[in-house]
Amino acid sequence: DAGITQSPRYKITETGRQVTLMCHQTWSHSYMFWYRQDLGHGLRLIYYSAAADITDKGEVPDGYVVSRSKTENFPLTLESATRSQTSVYFCASSVSPRGEQYFGPGTRLTVT
Amino acid sequence: GENVEQHPSTLSVQEGDSAVIKCTYSDSASNYFPWYKQELGKGPQLIIDIRSNVGEKKDQRIAVTLNKTAKHFSLHITETQPEDSAVYFCAASNDYKLSFGAGTTVTVRA
Repeated sequence: DAGITQSPRYKITETGRQVTLMCHQTWSHSYMFWYRQDLGHGLRLIYYSAAADITDKGEVPDGYVVSRSKTENFPLTLESATRSQTSVYFCASSVSPRGEQYFGPGTRLTVT
Repeated sequence: GENVEQHPSTLSVQEGDSAVIKCTYSDSASNYFPWYKQELGKGPQLIIDIRSNVGEKKDQRIAVTLNKTAKHFSLHITETQPEDSAVYFCAASNDYKLSFGAGTTVTVRA
């Protein structure tokens, strides 16, 4: 009964390094999302996926890469981390396009 | 794209009083308006949502109203309790991409 999990929960990395944030859901939801949360901006969509092997850009995709080879996993990779990518990252999933999105606990990423 | 504005950014209420949060949106094609509650250190959780064919929806102490003509919607919490203290986000969508407001930090004073 894990639901949706994210790992790591906290990460400190240096500018220029590659880092991958993991997201796993046990419900077999078709739709998965990555958001970043910054003070004053609410949550902004980075990427989303409608099914395995189907992904598309959201509002703020620059500097991020996603993949979805399996329905339950949706990793987010920062190819070359920058300080502006310091944020709290949330993964979410939903069973239908306009249904409730279930959020993970978040990953707090600090880029030094 | 959709732009959602949320007010106020902070709200302090006495326990037992009502709290109202207002949001406006820009895209007239938006037809789904959820509200999420985020407690400290956790991910957001849906508390209520409304679709464009409905003007008002209630669930116990919370209610949401929608005015499509004016493009605004509101969250009402009655008889506030300490456990209502959290950050609340409104959102709007016309597909599966949600656009969120900046959030309202609600503090319920005992």
